[in-house]
Amino acid sequence: KAGVTQTPRYLIKTRGQQVTLSCSPISGHRSVSWYQQTPGQGLQFLFEYFSETQRNKGNFPGRFSGRQFSNSRSEMNVSTLELGDSALYLCASSLALAGVGEQYFGPGTRLTVT
Amino acid sequence: GNSVTQMEGPVTLSEEAFLTINCTYTATGYPSLFWYVQYPGEGLQLLLKATKADDKGSNKGFEATYRKETTSFHLEKGSVQVSDSAVYFCALSPPRDPYNNNDMRFGAGTRLTVKP
Repeated sequence: KAGVTQTPRYLIKTRGQQVTLSCSPISGHRSVSWYQQTPGQGLQFLFEYFSETQRNKGNFPGRFSGRQFSNSRSEMNVSTLELGDSALYLCASSLALAGVGEQYFGPGTRLTVT
Repeated sequence: GNSVTQMEGPVTLSEEAFLTINCTYTATGYPSLFWYVQYPGEGLQLLLKATKADDKGSNKGFEATYRKETTSFHLEKGSVQVSDSAVYFCALSPPRDPYNNNDMRFGAGTRLTVKP
């Protein structure tokens, strides 16, 4: 069974631009969660989607948004990029809501904002 | 609120040494507890988990016991190998609560380096 895939793996953007990251969960998984990983803040939860509905949201500004499609694939969007948005963005999928079952992580998208 | 505190790294050990990485948590109710491992350039992989008090999770020689009385979930391995070099994250998942956030909380991570 294929694992969680994330595209692109690496991205370089300029301040003020916007970016869209994509995550394809393991087949059959309905929950997708997004995390931001930085050396200073560690792993921080962004949001969770289940059956196309946002079920949970972390403490990030409205510039960070996401959505989930009927095939469970998810995208997250960051608008008006800031230097501090440079991070590894991880996506995780699970059969049930996160915390109820195991989460499986993708390799991440490394975003660099210059 | 819910939080996880794990020992600061980095930790450097010689091959075949005993490993302990401490993890304590704060949570209401009975959370599920996890250890994840992250190898360079990769995402997190679930190493082991425990869902109720006194449960012991184990995998690949690693063990951790859910201790409700000390709110701890320390990771141990009797004999580490060079291939165990990675960053280890302790995490908790709170009981589902319709009135509060239910997101998983991760510790800061502990970098382990094992030297031959």
